[in-house]
This record gives sequence, structure tokens and C-alpha cells, in this order.
Amino acid sequence: KQEVTQIPAALSVPEGENLVLNCSFTDSAIYNLQWFRQDPGKGLTSLLLIQSSQREQTSGRLNASLDKSSGRSTLYIAASQPGDSATYLCAVLSGGSYIPTFGRGTSLIVHP
Amino acid sequence: EAGVTQSPTHLIKTRGQQATLRCSPISGHTSVYWYQQALGLGLQFLLWYDEGEERNRGNFPPRFSGRQFPNYSSELNVNALELEDSALYLCASSWGTGANVLTFGAGSRLTVL
Repeated sequence: KQEVTQIPAALSVPEGENLVLNCSFTDSAIYNLQWFRQDPGKGLTSLLLIQSSQREQTSGRLNASLDKSSGRSTLYIAASQPGDSATYLCAVLSGGSYIPTFGRGTSLIVHP
Repeated sequence: EAGVTQSPTHLIKTRGQQATLRCSPISGHTSVYWYQQALGLGLQFLLWYDEGEERNRGNFPPRFSGRQFPNYSSELNVNALELEDSALYLCASSWGTGANVLTFGAGSRLTVL
């Protein structure tokens, strides 16, 4: 059974810092890994999708990397802004089940 | 392009009642996933429908059920509501299965009194 862990659980930083959020998974037989953000009480917004054959994806100030062999993904946020404050979740789609498994998320606060 | 739409936005029920939640996927998407997000907990997988069939279900009791219609919209039914069913219910859709982007709706907040 796939297990997904996100570290840290919470993070509070001043505006402008570069951030690294981590996601680890136990079964490396994955189809893809997707990063989302969730604002309080709202649905999830997709940020980046990395296919199992890819090493990284970039969108604006966001960069996500994938290392299947070590069961890890990293979301890098450059020059953080208060608008980046949200919970960030990673979801792993495992081979065979087609069910995305989510981590508990990292709650990020960027203060001015 | 319209996103994933869920209704109702909020729903208040009492213990023992039944709740029905609805989800319309993005046009062309055939797969619908349902997740439960209780306060302080992560997303727990409930049900997956694809091409009108239930493909998988999570570790939830049988009083959680649903279906997918020919137009790929879906509904989630929760019978004999319990207090711990209070949660945000999220629906997501994707084109087929496998390596495709999962797109979520805004969710339906169910409160059981």
C-alpha cells in the first residue's frame, strides 16, 4: 500500500524567501506525482504534474523534481509572496491501482 | 472551459438522515474520484468511477455509495448519517486513467448535527 509523507507539516517564513517542500512515498512504481495547493475550506488547485519518466517540471516561480528511485519529490518555491500562503499537497498515482494517494500537506504562511 | 462543479456548496443534516452530493466533471473527462476531507485530516479516498462503472472504493462502510451517469456526472450518497461524516467532500475528474491531470471541484461541506 502506497504511503505518502510530507515534511515539514507547517512552515512560516518572511516574504522573499526561497522554499523547499518535501514529499516522500514508499512504493516507487508510480505513474505520476501531482502537486496541489489548497486554500482554507476550498478545493484543490493543480500546480504541477510530473510523469514517472520526467525529472522535473516548472511553472513560473514553482519547480518540482522527482526522484523515483529514492521515493522523493521536492517543490521549490522561489521568492515567496504572502499570496503563496496555503496548504500544499502532493498526490502519487501508483501503478496498478489508479488511485491518487495524498500526503497530509504542508501548511505554509508567508508573512509580509 | 467549465471546471469541475459540485453541488450543493453547503449541506446541513441531522443524524440518521441521508445526504446526496453531486459532481459534474470537465467536459470530456470520463473518470470521477470522490474524497473525504475531515477537519484536521488528510484526503481519504472514497470512490472512483470510470466510464459509468465503479472501479474502486476506499475503506468506508457500505452506507457510502454512489454512481456515475451516462454523461459522466456523478453523485455520492451517504445514508444513516453520523456526526463523524461531517467533512468537506471533494470530487475530482480526469481524462481516462493513468497519467492525466486530476482537476478538483470546490467541494461540498456536509455538516451533521
